[in-house]
Amino acid sequence: KQEVTQIPAALSVPEGENLVLNCSFTDSAIYNLQWFRQDPGKGLTSLLLIQSSQREQTSGRLNASLDKSSGRSTLYIAASQPGDSATYLCAVSPGGSSNTGKLIFGQGTTLQVKP
Amino acid sequence: ETGVTQSPTHLIKTRGQQVTLRCSSQSGHNTVSWYQQALGQGPQFIFQYYREEENGRGNFPPRFSGLQFPNYSSELNVNALELDDSALYLCASSFQDRNYGYTFGSGTRLTVV
Repeated sequence: KQEVTQIPAALSVPEGENLVLNCSFTDSAIYNLQWFRQDPGKGLTSLLLIQSSQREQTSGRLNASLDKSSGRSTLYIAASQPGDSATYLCAVSPGGSSNTGKLIFGQGTTLQVKP
Repeated sequence: ETGVTQSPTHLIKTRGQQVTLRCSSQSGHNTVSWYQQALGQGPQFIFQYYREEENGRGNFPPRFSGLQFPNYSSELNVNALELDDSALYLCASSFQDRNYGYTFGSGTRLTVV
């Protein structure tokens, strides 16, 4: 059974700092992995999608890496800003035709960037 | 390009009642999934619809049911509401299943009292 874990559960950093959020999964047979941002009480905003054949994806100040063999992904945020404060969720799409449509989420890392 | 829209945004129901939540897919998307997110938790997969048929289901009882319409919009129906059904319900749409990732709506906050 695929399980996704995110560490740490919460993180507080001063503005301008570079930071790394971690995501680990127990079964390396994934189709892809997606990072989302969630503001309090709101829906999910997709940040980056990494296909299983890819090693990393970049968008602006965000860089996500994927190491399937070790079951790990990281989200790197450069030069953090107070507007980056939110909960960050990673989700894996399990491999196999029977897992259509299912995303398995971690519990998220709540980030606070202090001015 | 419009995103995923959900209605209503908030809802309060009494235990035992039935509720219907609605979702309009992003333009060009033909697949819709529904998730339940309890406070402080990650979303949990309920089911997915593709071409108006359910083609994947999570560990939710049959009182959770859905529909997808020809225009790819969708409904989530929950019968015999329980207090534990209180959660944020999220709809996600995608094109050709999971190849291109999922776009989520803003959710419906359901409170069961």
